[in-house]
Amino acid sequence: SQTIHQWPATLVQPVGSPLSLECTVEGTSNPNLYWYRQAAGRGLQLLFYSVGIGQISSEVPQNLSASRPQDRQFILSSKKLLLSDSGFYLCAWSQGPYQPQHFGDGTRLSIL
Amino acid sequence: KQEVTQIPAALSVPEGENLVLNCSFTDSAIYNLQWFRQDPGKGLTSLLLIQSSQREQTSGRLNASLDKSSGRSTLYIAASQPGDSATYLCAVIDYGQNFVFGPGTRLSVLP
Repeated sequence: SQTIHQWPATLVQPVGSPLSLECTVEGTSNPNLYWYRQAAGRGLQLLFYSVGIGQISSEVPQNLSASRPQDRQFILSSKKLLLSDSGFYLCAWSQGPYQPQHFGDGTRLSIL
Repeated sequence: KQEVTQIPAALSVPEGENLVLNCSFTDSAIYNLQWFRQDPGKGLTSLLLIQSSQREQTSGRLNASLDKSSGRSTLYIAASQPGDSATYLCAVIDYGQNFVFGPGTRLSVLP
């Protein structure tokens, strides 16, 4: 069966520091991969999605970037974190377009 | 631009009650609709997915219906249990492959 892993589960970072969140999927090949941010009391906001290695689409202008160095690995990065980057970050995968999405357990990011 | 709303924002019911959660979307041109459950501090767990050609889907005590023309979906939970306490989110998938999520309904089932 397929599983998705996200780490770390929680992270506290100072303003201006770099960021790297990692997501990996097991048990499937060539998945679509997604990064979302969930702010308190609000819905999920799609940040990035990828349909293949090295293919990244960004949904909103922001301080973050994403990369997909391997088929089942998706990384969310920042060179300098802002206070507004705080939130709950979720990685998800699907077998293809229009297919159900499956989520990891998320990373709680706090910026001080 | 597709917008998804969910009513009510929060709901508290005694154990054993049947309940309905509502999801509304503004653009009826959707490919499918997915219901999720989110426990505090956790990721989303997929509950049901309804294709646009379907009217409803059932899984155990859960039944989700879809009325595309009116832009509505409902999630029916039968015989609610304290373990059902969570936030329930719906998401629509449009023909541009965009997932648009609602803000969720926070459900508390009291023992």
